[in-house]
Formats: sequence, structure tokens, C-alpha cells
Amino acid sequence: DTGVSQNPRHKITKRGQNVTFRCDPISEHNRLYWYRQTLGQGPEFLTYFQNEAQLEKSRLLSDRFSAERPKGSFSTLEIQRTEQGDSAMYLCASRYRDSGTGELFFGEGSRLTVL
Amino acid sequence: AQTVTQSQPEMSVQEAETVTLSCTYDTSENNYYLFWYKQPPSRQMILVIRQEAYKQQNATENRFSVNFQKAAKSFSLKISDSQLGDTAMYFCAFMGAGGTSYGKLTFGQGTILTVHP
Repeated sequence: DTGVSQNPRHKITKRGQNVTFRCDPISEHNRLYWYRQTLGQGPEFLTYFQNEAQLEKSRLLSDRFSAERPKGSFSTLEIQRTEQGDSAMYLCASRYRDSGTGELFFGEGSRLTVL
Repeated sequence: AQTVTQSQPEMSVQEAETVTLSCTYDTSENNYYLFWYKQPPSRQMILVIRQEAYKQQNATENRFSVNFQKAAKSFSLKISDSQLGDTAMYFCAFMGAGGTSYGKLTFGQGTILTVHP
């Protein structure tokens, strides 16, 4: 078990371009979460999946954002027509649904810089 | 909606001393969990300690302990015998225990802790 893996770790792009981030959760974890963290702030919830089903989306997730988890394993977060305000760290976390501890296991994050 | 407030943007402590980080929260839920997560520079966030709201006894994990005051909605973290490796951003987080809230964390703004040799 290598933990939650996120790629790429850092992405620099020009405004208007599309970017995609990938998250590979811990293998037996069926719940997967995406958070956004801006500099000096705490992470904010974006969306989460149980297996392949996207069960909740935050109002922070505008129409330019889309997340998928096609086979209930890895997940992708795509941002279309990026804006400078999208610059942030995008964190992925996972846990097993029946975990009694509620603990989430986080990846190291994907940092997006929009120029 | 839940809110979590950490009023100390930065704290510092000498190695081997004790430091307390503050956290208050607001919720209408009766059953929930509270967490302290640690985020070292350029590393992933890891769980430090958790507390179930229905438990009166304060959680402890080695050098880390909490002071959970449910009525006051306060959840502070005490780090004893501080070590250089404790230098990190610390986040207080809330999780509701029911329905879709379970597993979804609401974080505070964070406190940067620096441990000096």
C-alpha cells in the first residue's frame, strides 16, 4: 500500500487552457474526495465519490470543473478554460466506507498555477 | 452549515516545551467528529488525533492531547515535549456523523507552528 497518489504534482498553465489531475486512492478505499486549498487557507470540499458514483458537489465546483471516477478506482479532476483564480493546491483523499474512524487519507496534492 | 475557526495564524515554541493550539466550531449537529491534521511543508496531510463528540473523555495520542469542551464548542490541541519534526501547519476539522456529512471535512484556516531548537 503506497498511499494516495496524485499526478502531476505541479502544473503551470496559461489562462484559458484545460488541465487534468489524476488521483489514485488506496486500493480498498471506495470513497474518494477532492478538496481545494488556496495559499494560507484550509482545504475546502469540492466533491466526493462512492465507487463510481459522484454523490455530492460543492457550489465551489463551477461548470468549468468536472470530476470522474469511471471504474470506481482512480479519479480525474478536469478544469476547463482555466482562470487565475483557479490557482490552488488540489487535494485528493480516500477512505473505506465502513471505516469507523472517519479518517481520510490524503495525497500530497497537485499544485496548479495559472499565469 | 458548520464552521471551524482557528484564531492563531502562527505559533512558535521552543523544543521540549508545551504548546496549545486553539479551535472553536459551530454546528447544530449533536453527533460528530473532530480532528487535528498536520500538514508539513510540501508533504501530505496526516491525522494527528480525533475525538468523537459523544465521548466525554479527551483523546490522547502520545505527546498529543485535546481539550474538548462540547458545550463551549471548543477543541484545543496540546503538544507536549515539542520536537523539531512538529513544525507544520495544523488544521482543526469537523465531520458530521450522519448521512452525507460523514466523511466530508470542514477545515479551519490553519495554524502554522514553528518549533525552535
